[in-house]
Amino acid sequence: DQQVKQNSPSLSVQEGRISILNCDYTNSMFDYFLWYKKYPAEGPTFLISISSIKDKNEDGRFTVFLNKSAKHLSLHIVPSQPGDSAVYFCAALAGTALIFGKGTTLSVSS
Amino acid sequence: SAVISQKPSRDICQRGTSLTIQCQVDSQVTMMFWYRQQPGQSLTLIATANQGSEATYESGFVIDKFPISRPNLTFSTLTVSNMSPEDSSIYLCSVFSDTSSYEQYFGPGTRLTVT
Repeated sequence: DQQVKQNSPSLSVQEGRISILNCDYTNSMFDYFLWYKKYPAEGPTFLISISSIKDKNEDGRFTVFLNKSAKHLSLHIVPSQPGDSAVYFCAALAGTALIFGKGTTLSVSS
Repeated sequence: SAVISQKPSRDICQRGTSLTIQCQVDSQVTMMFWYRQQPGQSLTLIATANQGSEATYESGFVIDKFPISRPNLTFSTLTVSNMSPEDSSIYLCSVFSDTSSYEQYFGPGTRLTVT
């Protein structure tokens, strides 16, 4: 039973537009959420995180929104760039372990 | 953030053999983590390695199959024993950021193919 779900396997966006990646979770006890980006043949790269006591965190072009009542978080990338094309993983911190979703492949076309 | 290296970067092994994967960090860390990503799947935590104590394994993973060593605060190894094709995965080590107790940073991974 997946505790962290990314229901969209892929997303295609034009350069300059907004990319919105979604993530749902089932365990209300998670207290920290993270987003990672992964290029082929590389390890995941940390992007941005959010504590469960907040509803928004922003870092440059990346903003993460958390809706605890819906157990939903989203990553917004504005503006999207071709270099953002990668697999994006949502993860929840349970103790010291990260529980990952299956990832969403983002393709940004120029 | 910590710089993490892994060896080998990839390998092709025959079933029934074992492979030891090394993880080196450029700073001293208390905990090191080993994850696995099977094809088309999410990353799954195998075990947590603390220096000076036995590794802690997650449900579904056992020490006989995935023995771990943690001889010092910058190094760990994961062995995949008696391999089968189902062990074909990317194996990654990670550590917590030195400035945050929530953010984990990952090594480049070891891509293992078992034939």
